[in-house]
Amino acid sequence: SQQGEEDPQALSIQEGENATMNCSYKTSINNLQWYRQNSGRGLVHLILIRSNEREKHSGRLRVTLDTSKKSSSLLITASRAADTASYFCATDTNAGNMLTFGGGTRLMVKP
Amino acid sequence: DAGVIQSPRHEVTEMGQEVTLRCKPISGHDYLFWYRQTMMRGLELLIYFNNNVPIDDSGMPEDRFSAKMPNASFSTLKIQPSEPRDSAVYFCASSLDRNIQYFGAGTRLSVL
Repeated sequence: SQQGEEDPQALSIQEGENATMNCSYKTSINNLQWYRQNSGRGLVHLILIRSNEREKHSGRLRVTLDTSKKSSSLLITASRAADTASYFCATDTNAGNMLTFGGGTRLMVKP
Repeated sequence: DAGVIQSPRHEVTEMGQEVTLRCKPISGHDYLFWYRQTMMRGLELLIYFNNNVPIDDSGMPEDRFSAKMPNASFSTLKIQPSEPRDSAVYFCASSLDRNIQYFGAGTRLSVL
């Protein structure tokens, strides 16, 4: 099974609203990353949070990490239609130099 | 830098044919990854290289798949013979370290 599981699988909101996506994982991590994928494109790195960090901000993005619950959340504030995309969490564990990606959350922001 | 460059962007082939996907990583990146993305299975890591050496190919589905990295600026993923279940989007990504990966635009493969 996948290391990271996003919740919800799909989310539809109005422009200007906030969007929250969650990610749960199973094993200890070095860091957790969030990526965005626009339709027909490759994944783009958004933000990285290390295991000893609890919260991180980047522009309209806010990521939290709770290692005791093995979960992370991605908050996009004041969403825009251009935020419509799939969002993936990826965990970096001690199992080699690779990331394990979750199944993604499909976000639709309606104008 | 132009980013990770993959070719072709789209490939349509018939079952049994050989398919070769190509990737040019970002210059200076030591790691190169090949992924496959499908609706059913999501994003799967097939193989990754470090300094042109294959490190982990446990994700390669079967012997019909092979990958090479003859030099630091080029890698190929080959499927021979191809089957309809190989239809997917194949991504190449490169990384300077174990943290952030940079993805190409992908190759959409359709095997008829």
